[in-house]
Amino acid sequence: DIVMTQSPDSLAVSLGERATINCKSSQSVLYSSNNKNYLGWYQQKPGQPPKLLIYWASTRESGVPDRFSGSGSGTDFTLTISSLQAEDVAVYYCQQYYSSPITFGQGTRLEIK
Amino acid sequence: QLQLQESGPGLVKPSETLSLTCTVSGGSISSTSYYWGWIRQPPGKGLEWIGSRYYSGSTYYNPSLKSRVTISVDTSKNQFSLKLSSVTASDTAVYYCGRQGGTTGWFYYFDFWGQGALVTVSS
Repeated sequence: DIVMTQSPDSLAVSLGERATINCKSSQSVLYSSNNKNYLGWYQQKPGQPPKLLIYWASTRESGVPDRFSGSGSGTDFTLTISSLQAEDVAVYYCQQYYSSPITFGQGTRLEIK
Repeated sequence: QLQLQESGPGLVKPSETLSLTCTVSGGSISSTSYYWGWIRQPPGKGLEWIGSRYYSGSTYYNPSLKSRVTISVDTSKNQFSLKLSSVTASDTAVYYCGRQGGTTGWFYYFDFWGQGALVTVSS
């Protein structure tokens, strides 16, 4: 199984400041045949299902604010929120879909400082 | 707009079988472009993929649960279902159904999720 490790486990950022969440996979999730990273990011607010933010490591899902961006390749990935808003308080998960079983990171809790 | 809704008993006794159904509206479960999957989340914990099924019938399960899991599809009702046998307290979780893009042998991210159904395993 591919193990996904996120850092930090929790993060407190001031409103308007940048938030950065890291995700590392135990093996590469870059498929060389199409040069795509099989990596997604989700946001989960209390009492709600996860919401897809980013797929293919850097493609923003329709309707997701452009303050959210994804970067990285191979085994190291980053989710960046450029200017934190109050509604961004949530737990964020990365997910690999390169190989079965699909696996998720343990989650990063983002709070307002 | 696609919508998914889980339904089923909220309380299951230990050693019995957990059964949940996901009803899909606003789209066809027979679409050639998608997988239909289940994910669970124990209270206060992270996400665990259970398994996914392609329209053609190809089904993929998490090896950690494979011996106890069955995912089936009822195209006439636009539903897919989860059965998890021999449950214990550790199977207590919110169970989500979801849609994944994909092709034969490859499934991708979950772009639509149900609201989730809490299933408690207790006598």
